[in-house]
Amino acid sequence: SAVISQKPSRDICQRGTSLTIQCQVDSQVTMMFWYRQQPGQSLTLIATANQGSEATYESGFVIDKFPISRPNLTFSTLTVSNMSPEDSSIYLCSVEQAYQETQYFGPGTRLLVL
Amino acid sequence: SQKIEQNSEALNIQEGKTATLTCNYTNYSPAYLQWYRQDPGRGPVFLLLIRENEKEKRKERLKVTFDTTLKQSLFHITASQPADSATYLCALYRDSNYQLIWGAGTKLIIKP
Repeated sequence: SAVISQKPSRDICQRGTSLTIQCQVDSQVTMMFWYRQQPGQSLTLIATANQGSEATYESGFVIDKFPISRPNLTFSTLTVSNMSPEDSSIYLCSVEQAYQETQYFGPGTRLLVL
Repeated sequence: SQKIEQNSEALNIQEGKTATLTCNYTNYSPAYLQWYRQDPGRGPVFLLLIRENEKEKRKERLKVTFDTTLKQSLFHITASQPADSATYLCALYRDSNYQLIWGAGTKLIIKP
């Protein structure tokens, strides 16, 4: 298994500002993912963070709004840019080792945009 | 596109009874299906994986079935305990890049 930490755990931000969320894993992992989860809703995949190259974004999510970095196999950041109240959500980082078919999640970052 | 349906209403079960949660999908049968548990304020935690060629999988008090004809998976918790109260999520493998498609989850409440 993998132990994942996220920073910050929660934040309240003003509209128009940006927030960068960090995801740190205690071991090297193949895949890292960023999700968004609204209360009572399913997890929605934002993007797959690729080490050494640009992230792969899902339909409806763009790099300008959600820039992602992954400088190595244990760390990734997600930035929520030019925030609006619609961006209020829980943002989750998850990881998976190749062929292990199990995702491990961080505790999430609870974001409120006013 | 693939859609996953889980009962959005909370399921209330008396302690000691068996809880059964349902996951239905609409399109192709995935190579495998997973169940996760999520507690308030926490990320999901993996419980069980079942492959398309498996009918049933067990782990301690947990049992998962997979019926590709009905396009349905059932998740059972036997001898349920209040500590089993949580939201249970069903996730299907998307057949590419290790990605999963997620259901919205069913909230399970075990009453003492």
